[in-house]
Amino acid sequence: EPEVTQTPSHQVTQMGQEVILRCVPISNHLYFYWYRQILGQKVEFLVSFYNNEISEKSEIFDDQFSVERPDGSNFTLKIRSTKLEDSAMYFCASIRSSYNSPLHFGNGTRLTVT
Amino acid sequence: KQEVTQIPAALSVPEGENLVLNCSFTDSAIYNLQWFRQDPGKGLTSLLLIQSSQREQTSGRLNASLDKSSGRSTLYIAASQPGDSATYLCAGQGGSEKLVFGKGTKLTVNP
Repeated sequence: EPEVTQTPSHQVTQMGQEVILRCVPISNHLYFYWYRQILGQKVEFLVSFYNNEISEKSEIFDDQFSVERPDGSNFTLKIRSTKLEDSAMYFCASIRSSYNSPLHFGNGTRLTVT
Repeated sequence: KQEVTQIPAALSVPEGENLVLNCSFTDSAIYNLQWFRQDPGKGLTSLLLIQSSQREQTSGRLNASLDKSSGRSTLYIAASQPGDSATYLCAGQGGSEKLVFGKGTKLTVNP
């Protein structure tokens, strides 16, 4: 069964550094998402992306965050200047159509900011 | 603003027991309700999706119900097995793209 893949599985970075988290969604899916989960807390929505543009974003997704689909397969999340509070598990997800389709999640990238 | 709550936070049962996990949501204008399973260090696996027009969905030993009027959903697991041990998350989707998640119920099924 096709799956969403994320790399790297674990990224350690110093505060103030830029990081790029990478995702390869399922090939025929059209809607792409980033969620994050701080240790011990709820999974939180960050951003949704459709037709090469952001369709919705949360208050968390400020100017330090950006997303891109640089080619037909990759979907990336960039954090320009990381903060300690950005430490979390970041999940990429995709679906074929917008509503009433179950979300397919990747295994996540654990980001540790020191 | 949608808030999703799951009770209990943790549950430990002996193998073979039937069990119910609870999820409540504050905004009844929900488009669908999804249940996920999360294993330690892994992503979320979709288990069941209930559309707002439906009252329940079944998959194998799992049955999920949705009662919009009371703001509740339940996930029923029949004849639990040690392999069912995981954290179970529910999430509601309203009139936007995003899913709003509960904190989850950590289930342990003891052999």
